[in-house]
Amino acid sequence: GAGVSQSPSNKVTEKGKDVELRCDPISGHTALYWYRQSLGQGLEFLIYFQGNSAPDKSGLPSDRFSAERTGGSVSTLTIQRTQQEDSAVYLCASSRANYGYTFGSGTRLTVV
Amino acid sequence: AQSVTQPDIHITVSEGASLELRCNYSYGATPYLFWYVQSPGQGLQLLLKYFSGDTLVQGIKGFEAEFKRSQSSFNLRKPSVHWSDAAEYFCAVGTNNAGNMLTFGGGTRLMVKP
Repeated sequence: GAGVSQSPSNKVTEKGKDVELRCDPISGHTALYWYRQSLGQGLEFLIYFQGNSAPDKSGLPSDRFSAERTGGSVSTLTIQRTQQEDSAVYLCASSRANYGYTFGSGTRLTVV
Repeated sequence: AQSVTQPDIHITVSEGASLELRCNYSYGATPYLFWYVQSPGQGLQLLLKYFSGDTLVQGIKGFEAEFKRSQSSFNLRKPSVHWSDAAEYFCAVGTNNAGNMLTFGGGTRLMVKP
C-alpha cells in the first residue's frame, strides 16, 4: 500500500483481556518496528523484524507481549492479560535501507 | 549504545519568529540522524535526515538541520514559524542504516502564539 496501515485505530478493552494490534507495512519494506508511546512520553522500542532474521525482542516489557510477522509482511502485536499500564499508543513503522522509518497512525489502546 | 537528548521539553514561539530545536546525540561513530514531527493524534512524519555529505540538510515544510560533529548536535531550524507547525518534534539516531533500530529523543512540544 501507499503507507503503513494500522488497525484498529482505537481499542478499548477490559483489564485481563487479550488484544491484537495489526500493522500492514509498505510493500517492499523489509524492516518492521513496533514502538509504544505513553501519554506525554517519548517512543519506547518494543520489537524489530528484519527480513527472515530472528526478531529483536529486547524491548518487550514483559512476557505478556508478543509479536509475529507473517510472510515478511503483516505483523500482529499481541498483549495478553492486559493491564492498565498497557494503555498507550502503539506505533508501527517500516523501512528499507537508508530511507528512515515510515510510521503508521498508531493504535490507541485504553485498558479499563 | 547510542542515545539522544532533546533538552527542551516545551518551547513556545510567536508566529513568524525563528525556531531552533536542540538535539544532542551520543554515539562513537558517524551517526545517521533524523527529525520527525508528530501532530496531535497522528503518527510521526519524517522531516529530514542526515547520512553523509553536506552537513546542512533541507527538509520538508521549510525546515533545515545542521550536523555538527564537534558538538554532537543536530539542531532543527526554521526561519519563520507558522501556526500549523505546532506539534511534537522528535530527533532520532541510527547506527548503520534505516534497517537498524532508531533511538528517539524524548521529544520537544512546540507551541505557536498568534
